[in-house]
Amino acid sequence: AQSVTQLDSQVPVFEEAPVELRCNYSSSVSVYLFWYVQYPNQGLQLLLKYLSGSTLVKGINGFEAEFNKSQTSFHLRKPSVHISDTAEYFCAVIRNSGNTPLVFGKGTRLSVIA
Amino acid sequence: ETGVTQSPTHLIKTRGQQVTLRCSSQSGHNTVSWYQQALGQGPQFIFQYYREEENGRGNFPPRFSGLQFPNYSSELNVNALELDDSALYLCASSVATGTATTPLHFGNGTRLTVT
Repeated sequence: AQSVTQLDSQVPVFEEAPVELRCNYSSSVSVYLFWYVQYPNQGLQLLLKYLSGSTLVKGINGFEAEFNKSQTSFHLRKPSVHISDTAEYFCAVIRNSGNTPLVFGKGTRLSVIA
Repeated sequence: ETGVTQSPTHLIKTRGQQVTLRCSSQSGHNTVSWYQQALGQGPQFIFQYYREEENGRGNFPPRFSGLQFPNYSSELNVNALELDDSALYLCASSVATGTATTPLHFGNGTRLTVT
């Protein structure tokens, strides 16, 4: 079975500063990895995904993430955050074959301070 | 292209009652998944439907059941509601192929409060 650990439950950061949200996963088979964002009172929106190929993936809103197989990590980064980036961020993993569910981490609350 | 829509957006029920939540999949998507998101937690997988049949289930009791219709819309039914069922219920649709599924597209959820 797959599992996801998001190491920080809350991350406060000043506007225009860089940010990294950490995600580690556990799986005995190859996986796909995702980051979703959830704004207040809304569903989940896909930020970016890693399926194969280049380990550095770029997503929407200036976010990017790097897949590191040896460290089983998929950390999310943004070089300069905005107030509008304040939201809950979820890392998720799924097996890359078969029909298995997407498994989510518990989320990281990013708070951008003016 | 319409996205995933869920109804109602909010619902208040009393312990012991039954509830039905509805979901319309994104156009062209043949698979629907339901997740429960308790306050301060990540979404937890309830079950998934493909071609009108349940083809995966998480660690939820049988009083959680569902349906998928020929137009790929779906319902989540919960019987004998308990206080701990209070949560945001998320529906997600995707396209299943022979090997894997495309990324999930989520609706905005139904906020269920059980009193």
